[in-house]
Parts: sequence; structure tokens; C-alpha cells
Amino acid sequence: GPKVLQIPSHQIIDMGQMVTLNCDPVSNHLYFYWYKQILGQQMEFLVNFYNGKVMEKSKLFKDQFSVERPDGSYFTLKIQPTALEDSAVYFCASSFTAFNQAPLFGEGTRLSVL
Amino acid sequence: GDSVTQTEGQVTVSESKSLIINCTYSATSIGYPNLFWYVRYPGEGLQLLLKVITAGQKGSSRGFEATYNKEATSFHLQKASVQESDSAVYYCALSESQGGRALIFGTGTTVSVSP
Repeated sequence: GPKVLQIPSHQIIDMGQMVTLNCDPVSNHLYFYWYKQILGQQMEFLVNFYNGKVMEKSKLFKDQFSVERPDGSYFTLKIQPTALEDSAVYFCASSFTAFNQAPLFGEGTRLSVL
Repeated sequence: GDSVTQTEGQVTVSESKSLIINCTYSATSIGYPNLFWYVRYPGEGLQLLLKVITAGQKGSSRGFEATYNKEATSFHLQKASVQESDSAVYYCALSESQGGRALIFGTGTTVSVSP
């Protein structure tokens, strides 16, 4: 079946550096999401994105975070600069419609900020 | 605010026994939330197990069932007879019915099925 792909599965970066997390959503999907899960805690919504724009974002979506989907390719989450508390697993998701449809999730990228 | 509570962090059950995973929710700002169960099998990504969008309705998939109980604000997941392959982490979640909105997840319940 269709899959949301997140590569690589693990990224290690020094604090203060910039990192871009890539997500390859399902090709005909129109809505895109990022979630964050710190080890041992629940998965929390960061942001959703439709038609080239952020629709809503949570308080976890700090000013250092940005999202984009240039040319309809990868959906990216950029963190600049990174902080130690950004260490977490980041999950991308996508859905075709929004109304009553459950998003399809990727396997996540573990970000380790040293 | 809106939230989802799963009281059991870890459950161990023997194969062929029944399983109930509790989920209650609070939807103070959402009038009619959609309710979901997601599952993550070992080594795999999060996937939808079942969803129910109408209060009073029951969803089912792979032998699991969950009923949207608006009065009790619950959405417990049940299976009459589990298999070893059901070992996974199960997440209860809710969202607004309006399009593309955030999913609010519970903390997850790790289910281990012993042979």
C-alpha cells in the first residue's frame, strides 16, 4: 500500500547547527503534518500544511522551526538553530482529504542533538 | 484543554485470552471529535487500526473493536482472543471532525502477548 517515507531514520547533529528532516508523502496526498515524540512521552502535534501554507501549529512549533514543500516534492521540517530539547523522534504524516480521514504516518526520524 | 488518557502503560496477556485497553478522552473545545486507534508493531511505523466518527458507533478491524461512548467519554479497545502477533504499542487519539486538524494522542499502551 501507499507509504510515507522518512529518510534517514536517525540524524545526529551538534547543538546550534541547522537540520532538515525530509518526508516523502504519498503522491496524491494534499495535507501534511509533523509530530514530535520525546522518549517516554506521547506523540504531540507540531504543524499541519495545506496548499503551500501552514494551517495550524502548536506551541511546540518554535520560531526556529519552519516547514515547506517546494515544487511538490519532499515535505521538510527545518530547525535552525537546533537545541538540546529538540532531541526526539519526528513523525511525518499525510492525508488526501482532511475531513474525517486518518493521516498515514511515516516511521519517524530520530533526531539526536549533541 | 483536549486530552486523551490511557491508564495502562504496559499490559501482558496470554495468547487466546481477551484484552481490553482503556481510553478516555476530554474534548472541551471539540464538540464531536473523531476517535482513532493507531498501532505500532515492532520495527514498523504507526498505522491506523480503526476509527469511529459518530458517537454510539463501533469500529472494528483485525478482530479488535472499539465503541465511541460519548456519555462516558470512552473509546476502549477490545479483542476477544489475542495472538502473539498482536504484540505492539496501541495509541488512542482524537481530532476535530473538521479537515486536517491535529491528532491528540494518548501515551500509548504496550501490549505483550505471551505464547
